[in-house]
Amino acid sequence: GQNIDQPTEMTATEGAIVQINCTYQTSGFNGLFWYQQHAGEAPTFLSYNVLDGLEEKGRFSSFLSRSKGYSYLLLKELQMKDSASYLCAVRDWAGNMLTFGGGTRLMVKP
Amino acid sequence: NAGVMQNPRHLVRRRGQEARLRCSPMKGHSHVYWYRQLPEEGLKFMVYLQKENIIDESGMPKERFSAEFPKEGPSILRIQQVVRGDSAAYFCASSPPDEVYGYTFGSGTRLTVV
Repeated sequence: GQNIDQPTEMTATEGAIVQINCTYQTSGFNGLFWYQQHAGEAPTFLSYNVLDGLEEKGRFSSFLSRSKGYSYLLLKELQMKDSASYLCAVRDWAGNMLTFGGGTRLMVKP
Repeated sequence: NAGVMQNPRHLVRRRGQEARLRCSPMKGHSHVYWYRQLPEEGLKFMVYLQKENIIDESGMPKERFSAEFPKEGPSILRIQQVVRGDSAAYFCASSPPDEVYGYTFGSGTRLTVV
């Protein structure tokens, strides 16, 4: 099975940098995903890591360490519109199903 | 290319009634996944289907819940004799075979049981 942990809530200031951590324990691993979900809306894909290291995409970066069962999502130059929930998800060995953590609700303040 | 379409967006049912939630995957996507999200919680896997087959239903409650993805038409999540605890957002996602970058989600159906 999969066990995925991430903080429930975080608060940060507009223009700052925030790091959202995710730890996982899995019986099989075939990739880690980050999704963004605004209140009342569908989750949207942000990033994907399958090998160790940092993937950068604009203001968002995601890091993975498979040996530590650890990932983080880094958001730079925070904007008010970044206030949302950020969901960490792990794909199983069969390569199809995603298991999600509980999500981290990020509040960006002026 | 339309995204994953779910309907209805909002559904109100009285206790004991049936709820039918529909999901049309993106064109070319043959894999469908249903997730449930309770208020302030993460997404919980329910069922994974391919055309005419249930691949994994390990997250589906054993009673009252069923899902199908027929050869023609949308995938249907059916909840019989709804109870208040069934009130949640139900999200459908789809992917093509061998998709590397995960799923595309629909906008969800918000079920309220009164």
